[in-house]
Parts: sequence; C-alpha cells; structure tokens
Amino acid sequence: NAGVMQNPRHLVRRRGQEARLRCSPMKGHSHVYWYRQLPEEGLKFMVYLQKENIIDESGMPKERFSAEFPKEGPSILRIQQVVRGDSAAYFCASGRAGALDEQFFGPGTRLTVL
Amino acid sequence: GIQVEQSPPDLILQEGANSTLRCNFSDSVNNLQWFHQNPWGQLINLFYIPSGTKQNGRLSATTVATERYSLLYISSSQTTDSGVYFCAVLKTSGSRLTFGEGTQLTVNP
Repeated sequence: NAGVMQNPRHLVRRRGQEARLRCSPMKGHSHVYWYRQLPEEGLKFMVYLQKENIIDESGMPKERFSAEFPKEGPSILRIQQVVRGDSAAYFCASGRAGALDEQFFGPGTRLTVL
Repeated sequence: GIQVEQSPPDLILQEGANSTLRCNFSDSVNNLQWFHQNPWGQLINLFYIPSGTKQNGRLSATTVATERYSLLYISSSQTTDSGVYFCAVLKTSGSRLTFGEGTQLTVNP
C-alpha cells in the first residue's frame, strides 16, 4: 500500500512565478490536509479538503494561495506570484475518515524562492 | 487556539541511554499523534494515541487526556533515533492538527 505521494520533492521558483504542489493521498483516503513548515519551526495547518470540497481553509493566506482536491486526480496547492517568504517545506497528509482519524504524511515539497 | 508545549527543546544522549519527551496541551483533545522528523525531513508516524499507553519496540507513549499531557519514552537510544520529535493534537470539535515546536534529539555514538 503506497504512502502519501507528493511531487515535486524540490521546487525552485523566481519571485513572481507560480508554484504548483501535488499530493496523492493513500489508497482509500479521501481527506487531505496541507501544512507548511518554515525553517527551524513546527508545522502549521493550512487547509483541509475532501473530494471536491474545502472543509477548513482558515490557516491559508487569503491572497495568492489556493487549494483544490478534484473528483479525479491529486490535490493541488497553488501559490501565485511567489515571494521569498513562501520558501518552506509543504507537507500533505491524508486520512481515511475525517479529522479524528490518524493522519499520514507525505515526504514534503521543499519550495525555494529566489 | 490550543497551545502545545514540548519539553525539553533539545536533548543530547549517548547511545544506549533512555529518555522521556513531554507534550503538554492547553485544551481537551480528540486526537494526539507523535512523529519523528528524520534528518532528511521526512515525518514518520510513531503513535496515534488520544489516550492510554502504546508500545512499539524501543518506543512507548502514554497520554493522560484528563491531565492534558503525553509522554514519549525512548529506550536504548540509537544514532538513528536522532532528529526532531513532534507532538500534534486535534482540539475537540476541531479539524486541524496543531503541532508543538518539537524536541531536537541528538544521539551520539
């Protein structure tokens, strides 16, 4: 049973470009969570999605950031017009049955903004 | 929001030593997980332990939800145990995990 998959593992963007991060949950999981880890810090919640629905986006910046989890395909975290402060590791987690269930994390995408 | 405090922030051990990591939280929780972030940055699930005690090899964990703390025990530590240990909790009626700042563990040979 494959774990949570994220790609790319490393992404370099120049200021003003767009970043797209992908997450495929574990088989049988329909709940996806995105977290961000700034250097030397713990992880901070960004957004919680189920298929085609955003359940909680209260941790996501209101501008430039968006997330989706379509009926088919991976979940996408999109960052428009990236700035240096967006440089971080972005982790995706998935769960089977909602927030009460155990969450399993992917390997992360390390975004560097030049 | 809920506060999660981990102690100690840093811990240096000799191989073979035992250690206890603590996680205090400020509100009632429905979910508590312990993770190990290895030097390559990957998050490894250690325990899903909203209450009670669990053991997995040299590691064990206990959560006393009524007193709002959890403990992670590492016995006979090995150099591969090095990394950051995170506690994360789900507040009752919440939908997100809130992470502590972690304990940086270094195990020297």
